[in-house]
Amino acid sequence: NAGVTQTPKFRVLKTGQSMTLLCAQDMNHEYMYWYRQDPGMGLRLIHYSVGEGTTAKGEVPDGYNVSRLKKQNFLLGLESAAPSQTSVYFCAAGTQLGYGYTFGSGTRLTVV
Amino acid sequence: GENVEQHPSTLSVQEGDSAVIKCTYSDSASNYFPWYKQELGKRPQLIIDIRSNVGEKKDQRIAVTLNKTAKHFSLHITETQPEDSAVYFCAASISHSSASKIIFGSGTRLSIRP
Repeated sequence: NAGVTQTPKFRVLKTGQSMTLLCAQDMNHEYMYWYRQDPGMGLRLIHYSVGEGTTAKGEVPDGYNVSRLKKQNFLLGLESAAPSQTSVYFCAAGTQLGYGYTFGSGTRLTVV
Repeated sequence: GENVEQHPSTLSVQEGDSAVIKCTYSDSASNYFPWYKQELGKRPQLIIDIRSNVGEKKDQRIAVTLNKTAKHFSLHITETQPEDSAVYFCAASISHSSASKIIFGSGTRLSIRP
C-alpha cells in the first residue's frame, strides 16, 4: 500500500501559469484535504472533501480550486499562479472519525 | 472557527532533559487532539493523540495532557534524544463531525543539544 501519493514533488511556475497537483490514496478513506505549509505558519487548510463529488473551502481557499471526481483522487488547481502561492503543499486522507490523518510526501511549488 | 495557538515557536534542550510544548484551542466542541512530528524535508507524522474523555496519555517517552476546562493541552518528551529534533505540531478537531477538519498550531522547532 502506498498510502497517500502526491505528484509532482517539485515544480517551478511563472506568474500567471496554471497547474494541477494530484493526490491519490489507496486507503479507501472518505475524507481528503489540501494544506499549505509556510515558515512559521504551520499547516493551513485550503480545501477539503468529505466524499466523491463534494468539496468545501478551508481557511485559505482563494486562488485555488479543487475537484474530487473519484474517491481515491483529490486535485488541487491553480488557475493563475502568484508568488504568494509559493509554498509546500500537503495532501492528507482521513476518516469520518477524524482520528488522525495520513499525509502525502508534499509538493514544493515555487512561483517566480 | 477553530484556532490553535502553540508555544514556544522554538525550543532547545540538553540531551536527556525534558521538553514541554503547550497549546490552547478556541472551540470548546473540539474533542480530538493529535500531535505530529515533522522531520526536515519530510511529511508530518502522527506521534500521539488524545481524546476529550481522557486527561492524560503516555507512550514510552512521550505523553500528552489535556485540560478541557482551560482548553489547554501539552506534549511532554522525557529523556530527550538527538532523533527527537524536529518540528512538532499540535492540532485540534471535532471528530465524528461532517468534516472532521484538523486545525494545526504554528509549530515548535525542537533542537536537542548534545
